[in-house]
Amino acid sequence: EPEVTQTPSHQVTQMGQEVILRCVPISNHLYFYWYRQILGQKVEFLVSFYNNEISEKSEIFDDQFSVERPDGSNFTLKIRSTKLEDSAMYFCASSGIAGLETQYFGPGTRLLVL
Amino acid sequence: EDQVTQSPEALRLQEGESSSLNCSYTVSGLRGLFWYRQDPGKGPEFLFTLYSAGEEKEKERLKATLTKKESFLHITAPKPEDSATYLCAVGGSSNTGKLIFGQGTTLQVKP
Repeated sequence: EPEVTQTPSHQVTQMGQEVILRCVPISNHLYFYWYRQILGQKVEFLVSFYNNEISEKSEIFDDQFSVERPDGSNFTLKIRSTKLEDSAMYFCASSGIAGLETQYFGPGTRLLVL
Repeated sequence: EDQVTQSPEALRLQEGESSSLNCSYTVSGLRGLFWYRQDPGKGPEFLFTLYSAGEEKEKERLKATLTKKESFLHITAPKPEDSATYLCAVGGSSNTGKLIFGQGTTLQVKP
């Protein structure tokens, strides 16, 4: 069964450093998303991406964040200068013909900023 | 503002003891209501999509129903392996795929 994969599973970084989180969406999906979940809190929407453009971004997704689809399979989230409050689980999701909102999530990257 | 509230926050059941989880929502234009299961440290696992009031979906011991204001996830004769956090989400009013999640109900089923 096709699934979304994410790397790395865990990342520890120093405050102010850049991190890139990687995702491989399900192969025939066209819509891609990033969400985050701070420990003990709700899953929060960050950004949606379609046709090489951002469709919508949340207030959390400020100038420190960027997304890219560098090739036909990968989808990345970059945080340019990490802050302590960026520590969270980051989930990638994708959706296809079943509808934008029927999204399949990856296993997540746990980011810890020290 | 689009909003999703789930209750209870936590639920403990004995194996075989059926119950229901509630998801109340406020959204200006519903683009689907979604149920996910999340195990500790893992990503949400898709369970159901519901689009219109009166719709029902079933999978094994789980049944999801939808009204105009809320959804229920009914768990019939649960087993310990059903222990997880169950997340409800709604498709927002924007046509971009954005999902708004509730805080989840953590279910523990004891043998």
